[in-house]
Amino acid sequence: EAGVAQSPRYKIIEKRQSVAFWCNPISGHATLYWYQQILGQGPKLLIQFQNNGVVDDSQLPKDRFSAERLKGVDSTLKIQPAKLEDSAVYLCASSLSGTRGGQETQYFGPGTRLLVL
Amino acid sequence: AQTVTQSQPEMSVQEAETVTLSCTYDTSENNYYLFWYKQPPSRQMILVIRQEAYKQQNATENRFSVNFQKAAKSFSLKISDSQLGDTAMYFCAFMKFENDMRFGAGTRLTVKP
Repeated sequence: EAGVAQSPRYKIIEKRQSVAFWCNPISGHATLYWYQQILGQGPKLLIQFQNNGVVDDSQLPKDRFSAERLKGVDSTLKIQPAKLEDSAVYLCASSLSGTRGGQETQYFGPGTRLLVL
Repeated sequence: AQTVTQSQPEMSVQEAETVTLSCTYDTSENNYYLFWYKQPPSRQMILVIRQEAYKQQNATENRFSVNFQKAAKSFSLKISDSQLGDTAMYFCAFMKFENDMRFGAGTRLTVKP
């Protein structure tokens, strides 16, 4: 079974530029999560999708971050414009239904490492 | 808000020995889940073990076991017979029944040959 796929793996941009990350969850997984992992910290949830609807985006900085999952499968996270403090690893995860809370395992992708100069 | 604290930024252990990683959390919830995740240098996070708060019995998965102390809000991970492949960052995480997983800052574990 293929895991969660993310691209690109690495990205270097200058501040005020735009960047987009792509995630393809495990086939059949209804729920998709985007996390931000700043160096030396644990991952922080940015947004959670259930199919193509947003379940939780309370920690997403909406003035510069946006995310979509139009067809309920793959997803794109965008930052526009980027700031120095956005340097982090962006992790995508998926779970089968997202309706069983902690009973359900989240499967993580390899992440995209972003460096903002 | 729920917080998760891992007080040991780094630990090391000799191969084949046992090591315990600490985690404490703060919540007013009664029903929740606790997790330990492993993040090897390749950065793909993998679930190690899960504990449901309403279960008194400590979870075990092969060489991995937890000591869950609900009243003390403590959730430690014991790794027995440590192997070189156990070298990784270990994150403790908390989830309310519905969702929103909160992670600690992690403990970097090095297994020495």
